Amino acid sequence: DAGVIQSPRHEVTEMGQEVTLRCKPISGHDYLFWYRQTMMRGLELLIYFNNNVPIDDSGMPEDRFSAKMPNASFSTLKIQPSEPRDSAVYFCASSPTRTALRAFFGQGTRLTVV
Amino acid sequence: GQQLNQSPQSMFIQEGEDVSMNCTSSSIFNTWLWYKQDPGEGPVLLIALYKAGELTSNGRLTAQFGITRKDSFLNISASIPSDVGIYFCAGDRVLYGQNFVFGPGTRLSVLP
Repeated sequence: DAGVIQSPRHEVTEMGQEVTLRCKPISGHDYLFWYRQTMMRGLELLIYFNNNVPIDDSGMPEDRFSAKMPNASFSTLKIQPSEPRDSAVYFCASSPTRTALRAFFGQGTRLTVV
Repeated sequence: GQQLNQSPQSMFIQEGEDVSMNCTSSSIFNTWLWYKQDPGEGPVLLIALYKAGELTSNGRLTAQFGITRKDSFLNISASIPSDVGIYFCAGDRVLYGQNFVFGPGTRLSVLP
């Protein structure tokens, strides 16, 4: 398996623009997580899905952030409008089961909002 | 939110030395995971622990799930230069109405 695949690897955008981050989880994994990593706050869980259904989005910082999982092999994290403070590395991870949680991470998308 | 504490925050060791780091919380966790992150990459799972008292090894790495379920440690024996990186612990508290959270990390530097 190719592992969790994220795109793009790097994104530079201007403040106010819409940004869409993409994730393809490992095939067969039921859980998908979106994390944000910054020096100040470390790894923060934004939202996670089980079988394509959002279970907990309490970590989503504001209404400007939204996430979808239209099918088992694809998820998006959208920021609209983007702000400089959104600059961070965004990771997607997937896990095969809740009873033996072991999340596997993608390589991340480094977002810079200028 | 639930907090995990990791110690030490950073450490510098000589190649060949053994390393020990730990992760603690004031609350019970039902899963402990240890990850390593290299610069520019995502965290990579090293060891997963699912039962209190469980001791698991992965090559030169050994981790234990504390009996109280509030802590875990990771040991690395005979360190090598490629052990350099940030080591994160993560815990699962979904069964307690919370979530899957990460500690702040321990940054390991190995001197030749």
